[in-house]
Amino acid sequence: KAGVTQTPRYLIKTRGQQVTLSCSPISGHRSVSWYQQTPGQGLQFLFEYFSETQRNKGNFPGRFSGRQFSNSRSEMNVSTLELGDSALYLCASSLVWPDNTGELFFGEGSRLTVL
Amino acid sequence: DAKTTQPPSMDCAEGRAANLPCNHSTISGNEYVYWYRQIHSQGPQYIIHGLKNNETNEMASLIITEDRKSSTLILPHATLRDTAVYYCIVSPLRWLTFGGGTRLMVKP
Repeated sequence: KAGVTQTPRYLIKTRGQQVTLSCSPISGHRSVSWYQQTPGQGLQFLFEYFSETQRNKGNFPGRFSGRQFSNSRSEMNVSTLELGDSALYLCASSLVWPDNTGELFFGEGSRLTVL
Repeated sequence: DAKTTQPPSMDCAEGRAANLPCNHSTISGNEYVYWYRQIHSQGPQYIIHGLKNNETNEMASLIITEDRKSSTLILPHATLRDTAVYYCIVSPLRWLTFGGGTRLMVKP
């Protein structure tokens, strides 16, 4: 079974631009969550999607948004990029109740550099 | 804010058991204790989780105190490949709130 796939793996943008990152969950997983990892703040929860609906959101500005499609694939978008948005963005997928085991499966991440 | 407290770093000799402590004194009744680890530049990897009872799988054992205010992850025979940052997380299902974790260094 294929794991969580994130694209692109690496990208470079300049301040003010916007970026879209993609996540394909493991087949059958309907919950997708996103995380930002930086050296200063560590791993921080961004948002979680289930059935195309954002169910939970972390403490990030409105420039960070996401969506989920009917096939459970998810995208996140960051608009008006700032230098501080340089980070590793991780996506995780999981089964949902009553089948969830509590285990989240992470992708390898998309490393964004903002110049 | 993370609900867990872990030592920032620990060393362990290869082949010996690694015991990683975690305090979670404000855990709620419906919150699970999760352990994940992250090897440099990779996505976090699930290790184990539990609610009340001790748990064991092929990777590790999780010991949760009776009052659920602390837990210990045990890697029974640490190898060099177990060098990683280990995160103890208290959370409801489906998303995780990470703290700083413990950087475990396994030494030959």
